[in-house]
Amino acid sequence: SQTIHQWPATLVQPVGSPLSLECTVEGTSNPNLYWYRQAAGRGLQLLFYSVGIGQISSEVPQNLSASRPQDRQFILSSKKLLLSDSGFYLCAWSVSGYGYTFGSGTRLTVV
Amino acid sequence: GQQVMQIPQYQHVQEGEDFTTYCNSSTTLSNIQWYKQRPGGHPVFLIQLVKSGEVKKQKRLTFQFGEAKKNSSLHITATQTTDVGTYFCATTSGTYKYIFGTGTRLKVLA
Repeated sequence: SQTIHQWPATLVQPVGSPLSLECTVEGTSNPNLYWYRQAAGRGLQLLFYSVGIGQISSEVPQNLSASRPQDRQFILSSKKLLLSDSGFYLCAWSVSGYGYTFGSGTRLTVV
Repeated sequence: GQQVMQIPQYQHVQEGEDFTTYCNSSTTLSNIQWYKQRPGGHPVFLIQLVKSGEVKKQKRLTFQFGEAKKNSSLHITATQTTDVGTYFCATTSGTYKYIFGTGTRLKVLA
């Protein structure tokens, strides 16, 4: 069966520090991978998506970047965090466009 | 770009009462998906509808896609405390992406 792993579950980082969040998928090949951010009590904002290794599409220009070094690995990064980067970061995958399976998410607080 | 509006934003119901959330678009939708996010959790896929007028049921949940494929509804019969959470609709935007509605946050009072 397919599973998606996302870590860490919570993270507190100072302003100006770097960020690296990792997401891995098991049990499927060539998945479409996505990074979403959710502000407290708000909806889901698509940040990046990838349909293959090395292919990254950015939805919102901002302080973040994404990379896909392997088929089932998706990384979200920042060189210098801002207070506004705080939120709930969710990785998701889909195959053949039939719905998303989300990871358990990372709650990031920038202080 | 394509947008989907969801109403209401919040809903408080007494346990045992029914609940409905609506998802509306100004353009024809190719499909509609529904997700549930429990407090503190991540969204979980519930169902996808693709056909005009389609109705699907999952126990106490009834999902409907409008005849014109511009709206959808999720109806919960006799809510329980386990139904608490935020319900999102989503639809395909382009080839690989989905856009989400703003969500309806449901609270069930015991």
